[in-house]
Amino acid sequence: GDSVTQMEGPVTLSEEAFLTINCTYTATGYPSLFWYVQYPGEGLQLLLKATKADDKGSNKGFEATYRKETTSFHLEKGSVQVSDSAVYFCALSEGGGADGLTFGKGTHLIIQP
Amino acid sequence: GAGVSQTPSNKVTEKGKYVELRCDPISGHTALYWYRQSLGQGPEFLIYFQGTGAADDSGLPNDRFFAVRPEGSVSTLKIQRTERGDSAVYLCASSLTSGDQETQYFGPGTRLLVL
Repeated sequence: GDSVTQMEGPVTLSEEAFLTINCTYTATGYPSLFWYVQYPGEGLQLLLKATKADDKGSNKGFEATYRKETTSFHLEKGSVQVSDSAVYFCALSEGGGADGLTFGKGTHLIIQP
Repeated sequence: GAGVSQTPSNKVTEKGKYVELRCDPISGHTALYWYRQSLGQGPEFLIYFQGTGAADDSGLPNDRFFAVRPEGSVSTLKIQRTERGDSAVYLCASSLTSGDQETQYFGPGTRLLVL
């Protein structure tokens, strides 16, 4: 079945550091890929998405590129802020009637001032 | 417009009891999803509705779990004979329509504790 693997956390960085959170997936078809974020005390919200190979999703300074050849969707940001501290989830959706999201375990990001 | 709402926000019950969890999706959203999130894990898909019908219930763990959406809006997740292993946060999401490219909007969740 489908699966998503993310790097284990917590990931601790200093403010203005470069961020990469790795995400790889296994799927039978050509899924859509998503990054969701959960800020402390809040619900899950979509950060960005990409629906086909080589698409780049971007939002709030974060970017991720859909790489079919490496089955990856790594999340990057050039300069993180304290307010980026949250749990980040990589997810995929196969579609074709199986539209539920398959999530990774989440990566807890802590940004220190 | 309001987002996805879920009630109750917290539910404590005893092993063997029956519970109902409610989800109000965003108005006009035809697709509705239920997920379960255990501590330290990502959400796990349970079931999704397109309109009133369950389009995919492959994630329901066993026949103690059941969900309905009789009028194509509000949905109720029902758990019979609860077990301690059912303790988790139950999340509901909705999207404008179904399909792998659609954005799902999540509610705050119901935290269920089975004693």
